[in-house]
Amino acid sequence: KQEVTQIPAALSVPEGENLVLNCSFTDSAIYNLQWFRQDPGKGLTSLLLIQSSQREQTSGRLNASLDKSSGRSTLYIAASQPGDSATYLCAAGNNRLAFGKGNQVVVIP
Amino acid sequence: DVKVTQSSRYLVKRTGEKVFLECVQDMDHENMFWYRQDPGLGLRLIYFSYDVKMKEKGDIPEGYSVSREKKERFSLILESASTNQTSMYLCASSRPGASSEKLFFGSGTQLSVL
Repeated sequence: KQEVTQIPAALSVPEGENLVLNCSFTDSAIYNLQWFRQDPGKGLTSLLLIQSSQREQTSGRLNASLDKSSGRSTLYIAASQPGDSATYLCAAGNNRLAFGKGNQVVVIP
Repeated sequence: DVKVTQSSRYLVKRTGEKVFLECVQDMDHENMFWYRQDPGLGLRLIYFSYDVKMKEKGDIPEGYSVSREKKERFSLILESASTNQTSMYLCASSRPGASSEKLFFGSGTQLSVL
């Protein structure tokens, strides 16, 4: 059974610093790895999807990498802003994704 | 953009009531999912469906059932609500198989069982 881990559970950074969020997974036989954002009391919004054959994806200030051999993915947010404060979840798998518990991020103005 | 709509944003029910949570998606997705999200436990899969009238158990199906009579609609049913089913319920949909297909979520239903 796929298990996804995100550490730390919570972190705070000053505005302008780069954010690095890590995700590890146990089974490398995945279709893709997805990163989501969740604001308090809301649903999940898809940020980036990395296919199993890819090494990274970029969207604006966001960059996500995937290393299947080591079972790791990293989400990098450049020049963080207070609006980036949210919980970030990663999910890995095939048709049936397994989710990590998330990194709760606070960007301090 | 894909839209996944959950019928209620907040719901308060009594112990023992039968509860229906409705989810509709507008992008002709074959796959639909129901998750619950609890602090410290993350998202846990309750049931999913790959096609009309098809359903499969997820990790925590006990106390729940589902119905998929039409492709766009996936209903979660709590046969006899209990206080330990107080939770945020999230519906999602996707296309099957392809590695490039994203999972799209509704905005969630916060259910309180008193």
